[in-house]
Amino acid sequence: DQQVKQNSPSLSVQEGRISILNCDYTNSMFDYFLWYKKYPAEGPTFLISISSIKDKNEDGRFTVFLNKSAKHLSLHIVPSQPGDSAVYFCAASAYGGATNKLIFGTGTLLAVQP
Amino acid sequence: DGGITQSPKYLFRKEGQNVTLSCEQNLNHDAMYWYRQDPGQGLRLIYYSQIVNDFQKGDIAEGYSVSREKKESFPLTVTSAQKNPTAFYLCASSQDRRILNTEAFFGQGTRLTVV
Repeated sequence: DQQVKQNSPSLSVQEGRISILNCDYTNSMFDYFLWYKKYPAEGPTFLISISSIKDKNEDGRFTVFLNKSAKHLSLHIVPSQPGDSAVYFCAASAYGGATNKLIFGTGTLLAVQP
Repeated sequence: DGGITQSPKYLFRKEGQNVTLSCEQNLNHDAMYWYRQDPGQGLRLIYYSQIVNDFQKGDIAEGYSVSREKKESFPLTVTSAQKNPTAFYLCASSQDRRILNTEAFFGQGTRLTVV
């Protein structure tokens, strides 16, 4: 049972345009969401997070939007740069019980074309 | 520099042998995790630990074992019972969410190949 889903395995965008990566979740108990960026043969690095009390969080070129009623979040990268080419994972966790358990999606490979 | 260190980066094991992957962190984090990455399957949780001397199974714990005798260390043993051990293994740590909503920090990973 995949609780966090990234339905687009890959995305190709022109440099300078907007990249939109999507993530859906099924567990309504999730209250903290994160995006990670990963290069091959390396560990993921944290990009941006959002708590369920917010619907938007912005950090430079990166903005995450959360739609709790739709159980959907998205990561916007504007403008996209070739160095953004990587696999992007969304992750979610639920406070209480297993308080720190992070569940990851399957990832989206972003290719930014020069 | 604070961080999380996995060793070795590459590991080869003969079929039927146990092997232990090291993970050390000096971030003073309470929680530590082991994930496995396979192509097209994202990061799947093997085991996690929220405090010393305590750990819980993740989604794919069969064939693996862990220990958490020290706060900074969370070694993972891949046993001969693990049917498909060849994968990229990632260790992570984070602060306790009851204290602060914060991200997990990852090591650089260990590529295990069974030959």
